[in-house]
Amino acid sequence: RKEVEQDPGPFNVPEGATVAFNCTYSNSASQSFFWYRQDCRKEPKLLMSVYSSGNEDGRFTAQLNRASQYISLLIRDSKLSDSATYLCVVNIRNDYKLSFGAGTTVTVRA
Amino acid sequence: DAGITQSPRHKVTETGTPVTLRCHQTENHRYMYWYRQDPGHGLRLIHYSYGVKDTDKGEVSDGYSVSRSKTEDFLLTLESATSSQTSVYFCAISESATGNEKLFFGSGTQLSVL
Repeated sequence: RKEVEQDPGPFNVPEGATVAFNCTYSNSASQSFFWYRQDCRKEPKLLMSVYSSGNEDGRFTAQLNRASQYISLLIRDSKLSDSATYLCVVNIRNDYKLSFGAGTTVTVRA
Repeated sequence: DAGITQSPRHKVTETGTPVTLRCHQTENHRYMYWYRQDPGHGLRLIHYSYGVKDTDKGEVSDGYSVSRSKTEDFLLTLESATSSQTSVYFCAISESATGNEKLFFGSGTQLSVL
């Protein structure tokens, strides 16, 4: 079993729609969670950290469900510029080594 | 954007040849990492460095070596390139290494081993 698993998608949504997707992780003791965004042929960039109580950053909402060992990302009012691959990142063993999911691709169409 | 430069950006080489990729940073961050990214896989850690001349192995270190003689430079060497090492290689830096900090990535190197 992979340490971090994501639905690869693609999620094809119209502008203005809401899209949400999850990421599961293997270690129930993991403490740190992140979403990174990666544009086509570009480097990953931090989108947001995920906190236990859930958190928002503009149109983006991240949630953590410890009981079921998954985190989620919701994008409201999708923009064309949201088209990207979203990487789930978990500090699985609570050390310096982050574990990356393979990514969920989102395509927003006009 | 963080000052991280990877070179070369693209490289085509033949099986059995040595290859060195360079990562240069201007942020004076202590921690540097080399990852590879392949379809269907997340980024996988090859090696990392926690200071000048201080390095350690990641999860996919076989066939790779690294060196860090200066804070700003972290070199990744494929001792004898194989086709399985065809990949996109990313360098990353961070201020600390608790696992809670932000990673800054370079633009990547596309390596093809024929």
